[in-house]
Amino acid sequence: DGGITQSPKYLFRKEGQNVTLSCEQNLNHDAMYWYRQDPGQGLRLIYYSQIVNDFQKGDIAEGYSVSREKKESFPLTVTSAQKNPTAFYLCASSHLVGPQHFGDGTRLSIL
Amino acid sequence: AQRVTQPEKLLSVFKGAPVELKCNYSYSGSPELFWYVQYSRQRLQLLLRHISRESIKGFTADLNKGETSFHLKKPFAQEEDSAMYYCALSRRSSGSARQLTFGSGTQLTVLP
Repeated sequence: DGGITQSPKYLFRKEGQNVTLSCEQNLNHDAMYWYRQDPGQGLRLIYYSQIVNDFQKGDIAEGYSVSREKKESFPLTVTSAQKNPTAFYLCASSHLVGPQHFGDGTRLSIL
Repeated sequence: AQRVTQPEKLLSVFKGAPVELKCNYSYSGSPELFWYVQYSRQRLQLLLRHISRESIKGFTADLNKGETSFHLKKPFAQEEDSAMYYCALSRRSSGSARQLTFGSGTQLTVLP
């Protein structure tokens, strides 16, 4: 089963620690996205990338960083500057004008 | 700024009854709207988009620009329709990837 793979499924962060969430896709999509989902709320866009070595801030980029060194990969780092990191994180990818395909998500919690 | 509102967090209907999930939006540009669905233990997936004007799994949605709505409808609900439904609006800079704004979702339960 191909598509989008997010890892790990569950992640715990200590205070002051940076953590990195992995997102890999084998769909040959140009664009990749990171969303955050909080209880009772919809998904909010953190960062997106249209092409390798390029990415743009979404609506809630503060406290997060990304890289896009390969077309297949778009890791998200939740930095210590993100004061409320507990959430469910979803990665998606698409052709530039196509629908977005989502991964299974990573649930991040604070220890 | 763009905004998507789904006024019902929870919606229950009986099997065979009609169902309508409401979605209203605000956006200054020309909207492109989608419905996404997440079944239990499955990934979020695209259900339909307004530009396709298609019917998927018996669901339809019509964009009403006058009322700024994109309600999802099905004439006869089935138990397998029970899921979380998200309405989403796409905004796009010229030639670039879509940036989606999601509503908060409606959990639909179809009762036997």
